[in-house]
Amino acid sequence: QQKVQQSPESLTVSEGAMASLNCTFSDGTSNNFRWYRQHSAKGLEVLVSIFSDGEKEEGRFTAHLNRANLHVSLHIREPQPSDSAVYLCAVTGGYKVVFGSGTRLLVSP
Amino acid sequence: DMKVTQMPRYLIKRMGENVLLECGQDMSHETMYWYRQDPGLGLQLIYISYDVDSNSEGDIPKGYRVSRKKREHFSLILDSAKTNQTSVYFCASSSGQGDTQYFGPGTRLLVL
Repeated sequence: QQKVQQSPESLTVSEGAMASLNCTFSDGTSNNFRWYRQHSAKGLEVLVSIFSDGEKEEGRFTAHLNRANLHVSLHIREPQPSDSAVYLCAVTGGYKVVFGSGTRLLVSP
Repeated sequence: DMKVTQMPRYLIKRMGENVLLECGQDMSHETMYWYRQDPGLGLQLIYISYDVDSNSEGDIPKGYRVSRKKREHFSLILDSAKTNQTSVYFCASSSGQGDTQYFGPGTRLLVL
């Protein structure tokens, strides 16, 4: 069964500094990978989807996928205090989606 | 505007009472999901629905059942709620296998 681990559990960065979040998974045959953001007590908002090795950029959010290393990362360029939230990695195989437990990001002014 | 709605947003029930959580989507998505989210455990899949009257258990179906009689509507039912079912419940929909899931705002359920 697919296992998804995220690191770090929490991260504090200064406004404007790059934020980097990591996600490792156990089964490299999964179809695709997504990063979601969840503001406190609210639903999930999809940020970026990536299907093949390499890089995918959506605005200030860039995902890097390396299936051989079972690793996908999210980089947030010029983070703002409004980016403070929990970031969830989601790994999809067929209809099944497995989520990591999240990284809590705090962007300080 | 693509939207997933959930009702109610907050609910308090006593142990043993029945609970009905409702979810709607306006995107004509075939696939719908129910998850619960607990601190430290992330999102856990309760049920998947592939279309009307086509439902499948997820990872933690015990104590829950679902109903999907219309494509745009998916209900989660707790018969005789238990205190360990206190959680935040999220509904999601997607257009098909592997496609992006769109989430509702969640229902916060407290079972006393």
